[in-house]
Amino acid sequence: ETGVTQSPTHLIKTRGQQVTLRCSSQSGHNTVSWYQQALGQGPQFIFQYYREEENGRGNFPPRFSGLQFPNYSSELNVNALELDDSALYLCASSLKPDSNYGYTFGSGTRLTVV
Amino acid sequence: TQLLEQSPQFLSIQEGENLTVYCNSSSVFSSLQWYRQEPGEGPVLLVTVVTGGEVKKLKRLTFQFGDARKDSSLHITAAQPGDTGLYLCAGGGSSNTGKLIFGQGTTLQVKP
Repeated sequence: ETGVTQSPTHLIKTRGQQVTLRCSSQSGHNTVSWYQQALGQGPQFIFQYYREEENGRGNFPPRFSGLQFPNYSSELNVNALELDDSALYLCASSLKPDSNYGYTFGSGTRLTVV
Repeated sequence: TQLLEQSPQFLSIQEGENLTVYCNSSSVFSSLQWYRQEPGEGPVLLVTVVTGGEVKKLKRLTFQFGDARKDSSLHITAAQPGDTGLYLCAGGGSSNTGKLIFGQGTTLQVKP
């Protein structure tokens, strides 16, 4: 079974630009969560998608948005990029939306905003 | 606001030594998960504990969930260089939103 795959692996953007990050969930997993991990910190919850609907959101502004597709893959979109958006963006999939079951994480997308 | 504090933040030990990493909070969690993350990779789930007082063993790793479900510890016996990495604890909530609260992590270096 394939794990969680994310693309691209690295990305450099200019402040003010928009970016789209992509995630394919592990086979059989219908839930995708996105996390932001700044250097030297633990991941922070952005939002979760379950059956193509947003199912919970962390303390991130509306310029962070997402989608989930019928095949359960997902996109994270960030508009009006700021320097502080530079981080590792992690996608995690699971069989259920309940956080108590644990997640399978992808290797992440390293976003640098200059 | 729920927070998880890990200690120590950095640990450098010799191969064969034992170590304990702590994860503490003033909040109650439905579950406590431990992940290990290597540079350039995503976190990998090691264990999930859900019952207060629960102890789980994974080879040389022992995980404990506090009786009040507010804290947890990870103990490694006879550490090996392959144990090197970032260890993250994460608390799961009672709501069905999938939000995990992560600690800031403990960077472990095991020297041969």
